[in-house]
Amino acid sequence: QKEVEQNSGPLSVPEGAIASLNCTYSDRVSQSFFWYRQYSGKSPELIMSIYSNGDKEDGRFTAQLNKASQYVSLLIRDSQPSDSATYLCAGGDSSYKLIFGSGTRLLVRP
Amino acid sequence: GAVVSQHPSWVICKSGTSVKIECRSLDFQATTMFWYRQFPKQSLMLMATSNEGSKATYEQGVEKDKFLINHASLTLSTLTVTSAHPEDSSFYICSADGLFSDYSNQPQHFGDGTRLSIL
Repeated sequence: QKEVEQNSGPLSVPEGAIASLNCTYSDRVSQSFFWYRQYSGKSPELIMSIYSNGDKEDGRFTAQLNKASQYVSLLIRDSQPSDSATYLCAGGDSSYKLIFGSGTRLLVRP
Repeated sequence: GAVVSQHPSWVICKSGTSVKIECRSLDFQATTMFWYRQFPKQSLMLMATSNEGSKATYEQGVEKDKFLINHASLTLSTLTVTSAHPEDSSFYICSADGLFSDYSNQPQHFGDGTRLSIL
């Protein structure tokens, strides 16, 4: 099992819809989780961080963490074409390194 | 605040050439810097972690003699790809972690990346 797993997509949603991105992780990954957005040819940009069970909301973004099931998700409400990008899930390990998933490509159709 | 500058942004060179990439923290002291490599449509793979004044720690499978990392000051780390070959063509990204960084909210500050193309 990979340490952080994501479906590669692409996930295609119409403009205005909710996009749901999921990520599972292994025991090696510790308590902090992060969602990054990466546009083609650019470096990752942090969108959300979460380290407690439950939901964390920031504007149109909601991160959800379920430690018992070892999954973390990102919901994007009112999706916009500008949200089209690759979304990387990352977890911190015990030495504070980031372990990245392979990313899910999101396409928001106008 | 917490800006990381990476230079150059794009390099094209001939096979056998050595290429140096710089990563600078502009407004904070970077106690730890990380170097990643990303192939097309793949995720970021950590190559090595460097702490100021000490030798870098390389991830499994990364050749330390091929990818030389120097972290001589709290604001500068360099990655040198020695005798580069076409298979080294990739997107290289550095990131930095500061002494007073808020790990929970911003674990690492990323540079803009360097696209390396070896002909």
